[in-house]
Amino acid sequence: AQTVTQSQPEMSVQEAETVTLSCTYDTSESDYYLFWYKQPPSRQMILVIRQEAYKQQNATENRFSVNFQKAAKSFSLKISDSQLGDAAMYFCAYRSANSGTYKYIFGTGTRLKVLA
Amino acid sequence: NAGVMQNPRHLVRRRGQEARLRCSPMKGHSHVYWYRQLPEEGLKFMVYLQKENIIDESGMPKERFSAEFPKEGPSILRIQQVVRGDSAAYFCASAPGLNTEAFFGQGTRLTVV
Repeated sequence: AQTVTQSQPEMSVQEAETVTLSCTYDTSESDYYLFWYKQPPSRQMILVIRQEAYKQQNATENRFSVNFQKAAKSFSLKISDSQLGDAAMYFCAYRSANSGTYKYIFGTGTRLKVLA
Repeated sequence: NAGVMQNPRHLVRRRGQEARLRCSPMKGHSHVYWYRQLPEEGLKFMVYLQKENIIDESGMPKERFSAEFPKEGPSILRIQQVVRGDSAAYFCASAPGLNTEAFFGQGTRLTVV
């Protein structure tokens, strides 16, 4: 069975600085997707970035980028130029690309605090 | 195109009562997932449905919990005889088809008193 591990329950970053959130996963599959979701106090799950396992190039979305290391099964999220609005819970998630198993498997989350 | 709509946003039930949580998927989406989030934890998969069919219910407790996604109308997650341990946020996600990205609703926070 697949698992997702986020080893940092909480992280802090100064406004305008850069922070990296860690995520590791375990799977025997070769084809899958990885996601980072942001959950602010409103509870809405907001997709931050996604990565297809077959792509070697790391995904980027404006200030958000990932470091995807497939062999190491690592998928970290880097937030550059941190803003107060980035403060939230961040969840790493895995989804198989194989037929019949499309459920998302989430990590336990990292609470990000942004200090003014 | 409205997003995934869940209602109610907040639901309070006394122990032993029934809770019914509704999820209206995005227009054109025929696949629905339900997840549960306990306090300070990540989302845990419960059940995956397509119109009128349960495809995967491996994460659903064997008793008191049921889900449906009828041909017409929203998907319903039903919890009978609620207990304090059922208090959680319940999220619905919908997708247009197989192996496509799912979009999440804002969740229903169930509190059992």
